[in-house]
Amino acid sequence: GDSVTQMEGPVTLSEEAFLTINCTYTATGYPSLFWYVQYPGEGLQLLLKATKADDKGSNKGFEATYRKETTSFHLEKGSVQVSDSAVYFCALRLTGGGNKLTFGTGTQLKVEL
Amino acid sequence: DTAVSQTPKYLVTQMGNDKSIKCEQNLGHDTMYWYKQDSKKFLKIMFSYNNKELIINETVPNRFSPKSPDKAHLNLHINSLELGDSAVYFCASSPHGGLSTDTQYFGPGTRLTVL
Repeated sequence: GDSVTQMEGPVTLSEEAFLTINCTYTATGYPSLFWYVQYPGEGLQLLLKATKADDKGSNKGFEATYRKETTSFHLEKGSVQVSDSAVYFCALRLTGGGNKLTFGTGTQLKVEL
Repeated sequence: DTAVSQTPKYLVTQMGNDKSIKCEQNLGHDTMYWYKQDSKKFLKIMFSYNNKELIINETVPNRFSPKSPDKAHLNLHINSLELGDSAVYFCASSPHGGLSTDTQYFGPGTRLTVL
């Protein structure tokens, strides 16, 4: 079945450090890929998305490139801030799958001064 | 204005009780969803409705019954609550059903604690 695998957390970084959160997927067909962020005590918010191979999604300094050859969608940011501390979820959705999102287990990011 | 709202935000109840969680979206979207997030943050879809019609029904105990009185509302009723039902329940909506690029907008969540 379709699945998303994320690196386990928590990931702890110092402010201004480089961030990578790995995400790989298994899917039949050609999924759209998403990163959602959940700040403490809040619901999920869409961070970025990519709908086809080689697309790059970007938002708020975060980027992820849809790599079909490695079935990956790794999240990166060049310089993290304390305010980026949150849980990050990678997700996929297949066309015609009833618009169902399949999520990874989430990766908690803690950014310290 | 809150786009997707849920009530209550917190719900504490005893085993065996029946409870409901309400969800409303003011975005004019056609499709609404319920997700369950367990204590390890694992997030899984439960149901999806498109224009008041059930389109996704994952393997969920039949104690859980979604109700959609109109396309702006999707309520979740849970009968005979069990300890394992303790979780955060998220409602979401998206403009249309079946389009793979549709963005889902999430509510703030309802934390259910069953004692």
